Amino acid sequence: AQSVTQLDSQVPVFEEAPVELRCNYSSSVSVYLFWYVQYPNQGLQLLLKYLSGSTLVKGINGFEAEFNKSQTSFHLRKPSVHISDTAEYFCAVSGNDYKLSFGAGTTVTVRA
Amino acid sequence: DVKVTQSSRYLVKRTGEKVFLECVQDMDHENMFWYRQDPGLGLRLIYFSYDVKMKEKGDIPEGYSVSREKKERFSLILESASTNQTSMYLCASKRGLLTDTQYFGPGTRLTVL
Repeated sequence: AQSVTQLDSQVPVFEEAPVELRCNYSSSVSVYLFWYVQYPNQGLQLLLKYLSGSTLVKGINGFEAEFNKSQTSFHLRKPSVHISDTAEYFCAVSGNDYKLSFGAGTTVTVRA
Repeated sequence: DVKVTQSSRYLVKRTGEKVFLECVQDMDHENMFWYRQDPGLGLRLIYFSYDVKMKEKGDIPEGYSVSREKKERFSLILESASTNQTSMYLCASKRGLLTDTQYFGPGTRLTVL
């Protein structure tokens, strides 16, 4: 079984500043890792995913994440945020079945 | 583009009522999922289905049942709604590979009074 811990529940950040959202996972098998974003009053949308290969994964809207197997982490970063990045972000992991395990979410609030 | 639609965005029901939440996907996906989303808990899997008429319990199936009579449609049923089932319900679908992306509907916010 897999589990996911998102280390920050709330991240306030100023516009054009960088942001990092931290995610750690635990699993006894090889994993696939995902970051989803949920804008207000909407469903979840995939930002990026790590399946194999290069540990640096680039996604939509300028986001990227780095898979670190030794630290069992998959942190999400963006070098310069916009007001429109205000949303809730979820880290998720799947193993050798079809189920995704989600973290509790991180709410990012971008201020002008 | 994959589209996952849910029958209602907002729903208000009374304790003890039978509630049906409908989900339809238009991309011929084999797998469909129902989650509930609560603040501070993230998304928790209620049930999923990997084929027509096939279903498996997720992490929190108590108080819920599901039905999948057609490939594109997956229904969540609350047999007798209770106030602790007030939540946001999200449907998702994906193809058959482990690495495929899950696509989510917009959600149904259910309030049970």
